[in-house]
Amino acid sequence: EAGVTQFPSHSVIEKGQTVTLRCDPISGHDNLYWYRRVMGKEIKFLLHFVKESKQDESGMPNNRFLAERTGGTYSTLKVQPAELEDSGVYFCASSQDRLVHNEQFFGPGTRLTVL
Amino acid sequence: QKEVEQDPGPLSVPEGAIVSLNCTYSNSAFQYFMWYRQYSRKGPELLMYTYSSGNKEDGRFTAQVDKSSKYISLFIRDSQPSDSATYLCAMSAGGTSYGKLTFGQGTILTVHP
Repeated sequence: EAGVTQFPSHSVIEKGQTVTLRCDPISGHDNLYWYRRVMGKEIKFLLHFVKESKQDESGMPNNRFLAERTGGTYSTLKVQPAELEDSGVYFCASSQDRLVHNEQFFGPGTRLTVL
Repeated sequence: QKEVEQDPGPLSVPEGAIVSLNCTYSNSAFQYFMWYRQYSRKGPELLMYTYSSGNKEDGRFTAQVDKSSKYISLFIRDSQPSDSATYLCAMSAGGTSYGKLTFGQGTILTVHP
């Protein structure tokens, strides 16, 4: 069974540009999460989808970030316009029904560098 | 103040040593406690999961949670070079925020032969 996949693995853009990150969760997982780790800091929660609905978006830093999960399958995270402080590794994770203990399976991450 | 504090190390031990990793936290609402292991250029993978206080053992790994002290630990017995990785503690409060994991900074562990 394929794990969580993320694309691209690495993106280098200039300040002010737009970048879209994609996450494909494990098939059948209704829950999808985005996290971010900036250099020297801990991994931080951004938001949580249940199917196509946003369950919790309390970690989204500002309105330059837009997450979507149309159809409840893959998700995209768009940063527009990108700023220097957006550099970091963006992780996506997915999990099954919340009745099962909430094991989140993480993808390898997308390393974003904003110059 | 961070909600979860974890000494980033690095920690270097000889093969066969017992490793002790720990985290402290401030949010008394946390009731689900996890340890993740992360190899270089990979995503975190779940190692141990504990609900509320108590101990849990899985092979060479033992997780302990002391909610009264807001302190969790992971012990690795007979450590192996393949255990070299970053170890992250994570916690969640459950309820409507069941999906939100709060991580520690991670401890870099190296087990040398």
